[in-house]
Amino acid sequence: GEDVEQSLFLSVREGDSSVINCTYTDSSSTYLYWYKQEPGAGLQLLTYIFSNMDMKQDQRLTVLLNKKDKHLSLRIADTQTGDSAIYFCAEPHSGNTPLVFGKGTRLSVIA
Amino acid sequence: NAGVMQNPRHLVRRRGQEARLRCSPMKGHSHVYWYRQLPEEGLKFMVYLQKENIIDESGMPKERFSAEFPKEGPSILRIQQVVRGDSAAYFCASSPPLRGTDTQYFGPGTRLTVL
Repeated sequence: GEDVEQSLFLSVREGDSSVINCTYTDSSSTYLYWYKQEPGAGLQLLTYIFSNMDMKQDQRLTVLLNKKDKHLSLRIADTQTGDSAIYFCAEPHSGNTPLVFGKGTRLSVIA
Repeated sequence: NAGVMQNPRHLVRRRGQEARLRCSPMKGHSHVYWYRQLPEEGLKFMVYLQKENIIDESGMPKERFSAEFPKEGPSILRIQQVVRGDSAAYFCASSPPLRGTDTQYFGPGTRLTVL
């Protein structure tokens, strides 16, 4: 199958770290993506990781990739109320470009 | 460099009418993708187009739905004889000519409501 799985909800306190997890299915994926969707808005590309990397850091964001377990995570350090959104993990379909998305993790940040 | 443009942002149709959704890709991008998002769901791929070509339409319903990306002008997703189940957000994404697996940039979406 081509399911990308994510937990649906995550709640954290402002200033804490958030970790959003994702499992994917296609081991041939060359890139894996994280997108952010705020209410009523489109998808904003947050970051991506190339499959030959284990980790990528970009300011407050850290992406970890475990290819053996097909597990991807997104860590947001010092989470702010503006980080409240739905976060989608995505992988290309069978190595091609149409993306397969998870259902999204709704992150709620409590002040 | 303007991002991916979609219009209209909101569209209301009665059952049986036609809906036309437009997408202008980012400058320099020749690949367009359409996705549908049902409430509380992730995005589902519908169709992938290049200029004047449909590359992959495996996610698009066989009836009532069609898509085009003409040589000039925006890409159009057309839904004929809309039904309530077509109510969703429709997102367009674009990417530059392929150099491997290229990143897709999304537009703000068109929210279709069928009454």
